[in-house]
Amino acid sequence: DGGITQSPKYLFRKEGQNVTLSCEQNLNHDAMYWYRQDPGQGLRLIYYSQIVNDFQKGDIAEGYSVSREKKESFPLTVTSAQKNPTAFYLCASSLPTGQDWNYGYTFGSGTRLTVV
Amino acid sequence: AQTVTQSQPEMSVQEAETVTLSCTYDTSENNYYLFWYKQPPSRQMILVIRQEAYKQQNATENRFSVNFQKAAKSFSLKISDSQLGDTAMYFCAFMTDYGGSQGNLIFGKGTKLSVKP
Repeated sequence: DGGITQSPKYLFRKEGQNVTLSCEQNLNHDAMYWYRQDPGQGLRLIYYSQIVNDFQKGDIAEGYSVSREKKESFPLTVTSAQKNPTAFYLCASSLPTGQDWNYGYTFGSGTRLTVV
Repeated sequence: AQTVTQSQPEMSVQEAETVTLSCTYDTSENNYYLFWYKQPPSRQMILVIRQEAYKQQNATENRFSVNFQKAAKSFSLKISDSQLGDTAMYFCAFMTDYGGSQGNLIFGKGTKLSVKP
């Protein structure tokens, strides 16, 4: 079955460490997104990519980095520069721009990151 | 910049009754898309319903329907015959049809709905 896989489900980070969250999709979607979810804050856009080898900053990109070397993969790295990384992270993808992209996103099941 | 506001942080409803969740948005664009997503305790985001701004007819999906008031920039979700499985966070979201942010979803802060037996 097609879908988006996020791993790991739970991740613990020590102070000063970089960690990478995985997001893989087999839906043949061109566009992929990373959101951060905090209690009472809704979902806030970190980075997005509408095509391979290209990505754009969202509203809260500071302290994060991404890459998009393959259509299927859009990993998110939480760097030590992110001062408050404890949150729930959601990856999503959508159909290619110009086609049925406006039918909404398909979301992964999320990664819960905790700083210890 | 577009914004989405959900003014009800929490709501509750008795099983089998009807409940309406409010959403307002701000945009200067004429064409856009609106969505309601459901996030149950499993935290999986599920698309409930979508509305195209150029369509005047309100969208309906089984027990879920919207009241889209374009002039008022309002997009409320009505859940009829509420079921225990409807207990979840509900997010209203806006998607622009223009410019560099085309295709990006902007979310409200959510409404936590509890359905009581």
